[in-house]
Amino acid sequence: GAGVSQSPRYKVTKRGQDVALRCDPISGHVSLYWYRQALGQGPEFLTYFNYEAQQDKSGLPNDRFSAERPEGSISTLTIQRTEQRDSAMYRCASSLALAETGDTQYFGPGTRLTVL
Amino acid sequence: AQSVAQPEDQVNVAEGNPLTVKCTYSVSGNPYLFWYVQYPNRGLQFLLKYITGDNLVKGSYGFEAEFNKSQTSFHLKKPSALVSDSALYFCAVRGYTGGFKTIFGAGTRLFVKA
Repeated sequence: GAGVSQSPRYKVTKRGQDVALRCDPISGHVSLYWYRQALGQGPEFLTYFNYEAQQDKSGLPNDRFSAERPEGSISTLTIQRTEQRDSAMYRCASSLALAETGDTQYFGPGTRLTVL
Repeated sequence: AQSVAQPEDQVNVAEGNPLTVKCTYSVSGNPYLFWYVQYPNRGLQFLLKYITGDNLVKGSYGFEAEFNKSQTSFHLKKPSALVSDSALYFCAVRGYTGGFKTIFGAGTRLFVKA
């Protein structure tokens, strides 16, 4: 079956521009998670949703970062006024059951963001 | 605050020998523990998890891990390594800190030599 998909797969932007990264979870998955991963490092938690409700956004680095999941399915991570330090792989994951249950997260292929 | 430590940046093992990739964690309350593997230019693939019950967990590709509450460890093991096991391995912990966020370790690169 279809896994988690993310778009675009690659995004190159200029410093100061806004970018929107999209995540399409596995159908029926109620929880959705966003991570940022530097090369050769572990994923860094950003935020997660149960259905449409954002449960924890403590990992968002600053107020330039925001995320939404308005209908409890597709989610968008938006970075405003991008800076070079935002360059990274942004990964999305989803789980069938709520995060509180310890259910397995399935990861998408990621979006490689490069800020020039 | 919750945290995960993978004390070895790299583990080298000969094919056919047993392998261990170490992980220790810190979390309030009962932890959910996970292992993921990442192959070059690929996404993260789930290997196994501990939620509750038997401390020895078996997962994909012959891997297993043992939850040790007293030592707060969750080491990944395999009785006989394959060259194809060479990859980057991540341990992760999920616990309650006002939400159920998952914290990943920095990763351990496993090299299996033929």
